Amino acid sequence: AQTVTQSQPEMSVQEAETVTLSCTYDTSENNYYLFWYKQPPSRQMILVIRQEAYKQQNATENRFSVNFQKAAKSFSLKISDSQLGDTAMYFCAFMTPYNNNDMRFGAGTRLTVKP
Amino acid sequence: GAGVSQSPRYKVAKRGQDVALRCDPISGHVSLFWYQQALGQGPEFLTYFQNEAQLDKSGLPSDRFFAERPEGSVSTLKIQRTQQEDSAVYLCASSITGNYGYTFGSGTRLTVV
Repeated sequence: AQTVTQSQPEMSVQEAETVTLSCTYDTSENNYYLFWYKQPPSRQMILVIRQEAYKQQNATENRFSVNFQKAAKSFSLKISDSQLGDTAMYFCAFMTPYNNNDMRFGAGTRLTVKP
Repeated sequence: GAGVSQSPRYKVAKRGQDVALRCDPISGHVSLFWYQQALGQGPEFLTYFQNEAQLDKSGLPSDRFFAERPEGSVSTLKIQRTQQEDSAVYLCASSITGNYGYTFGSGTRLTVV
């Protein structure tokens, strides 16, 4: 069974600084997809970034980038130039292409950006 | 529509009441998912539809939970004889193909008193 672990329940960062959120996962599959979702107080889960396991290159989306270490089964999210609007819960998620009706989520990290 | 729409946004039910939660997915999205999110936790999978077919309901916690999508678009999650442990946010998501991630609605917060 696949599991996703986020070991940082809460983090904070000063506005304009950089912060890294950790995620590890456990799977025996070789091909899979990893995601980071943001959930602000509005509750809507918003896709931040997506990584395909067979791609070596780390995904980037503007101020958001990942450090994907396949051998270590690690998938951390780096937020550069943090903004107040980045304050939210962040969830790491895992899914295999053979079973895309089962996206597994970690327990989340609450990020607070301080002015 | 432009996004996944869920209603009601908030629902308070007395223990033992039946509730129905509605999800209107993005037009054309074949796949529809229901998740349950307890306070301070990540979403947990409940059930999955491909068009009108319910292909996986392994996550439904008890036979009090029932979901349907009769015409392959709008879906309803029904909870019978609600219990306090059913209190949670119920998230609906849809996708064309899950490999690119799901689009989520804003959820329904259910409180059972």
